Amino acid sequence: AQSVTQLGSHVSVSEGALVLLRCNYSSSVPPYLFWYVQYPNQGLQLLLKYTSAATLVKGINGFEAEFKKSETSFHLTKPSAHMSDAAEYFCAVSEGSGGYQKVTFGIGTKLQVIP
Amino acid sequence: DSGVTQTPKHLITATGQRVTLRCSPRSGDLSVYWYQQSLDQGLQFLIQYYNGEERAKGNILERFSAQQFPDLHSELNLSSLELGDSALYFCASSVEGGGGVDEQFFGPGTRLTVL
Repeated sequence: AQSVTQLGSHVSVSEGALVLLRCNYSSSVPPYLFWYVQYPNQGLQLLLKYTSAATLVKGINGFEAEFKKSETSFHLTKPSAHMSDAAEYFCAVSEGSGGYQKVTFGIGTKLQVIP
Repeated sequence: DSGVTQTPKHLITATGQRVTLRCSPRSGDLSVYWYQQSLDQGLQFLIQYYNGEERAKGNILERFSAQQFPDLHSELNLSSLELGDSALYFCASSVEGGGGVDEQFFGPGTRLTVL
């Protein structure tokens, strides 16, 4: 069974500081990994995804994540936080084939950006 | 705007009642997914439909059921409602849902309150 662990349900950073949101996964097969963002009162939006091509994945809004198989990690980073980055971030692992897809989400990390 | 629509936006009902949540996927998307988001459980996958057929099942209670119609819209039926069913229910859609790599596009959600 696949699972995702997000370390830190709340993270606070100063505007302009590095953002690091941690995600570790467990999967019995090579994983497909995603980061989604949820702004207040909205649905989730894809930030980036890893599908076994490049291990460093670049996403929208300046975010990137690095897949490290040896550490079973897929941490999300952004060099410089902006006030608009305040949101909840979800790491997810997916399995599927044919017309089947099952996505398991982490508990989420709320990012607070302090001016 | 993801292109996924959900109605109603808010729903308040009493314990023991039955409600129906509706979702229209993005144009051309064949897969529809339902999720429940609550403070204590996080984002839980409920069920996936692909082109009218059930394809994947998650933590969906027996009191809950879903279907996808020929025009690809989907409905989630919740019956014998309990206080614990109060949550945000999201619908998502993807082009196919196969292989585990599809990006899912989320609707704005339906907030269900059971009194």
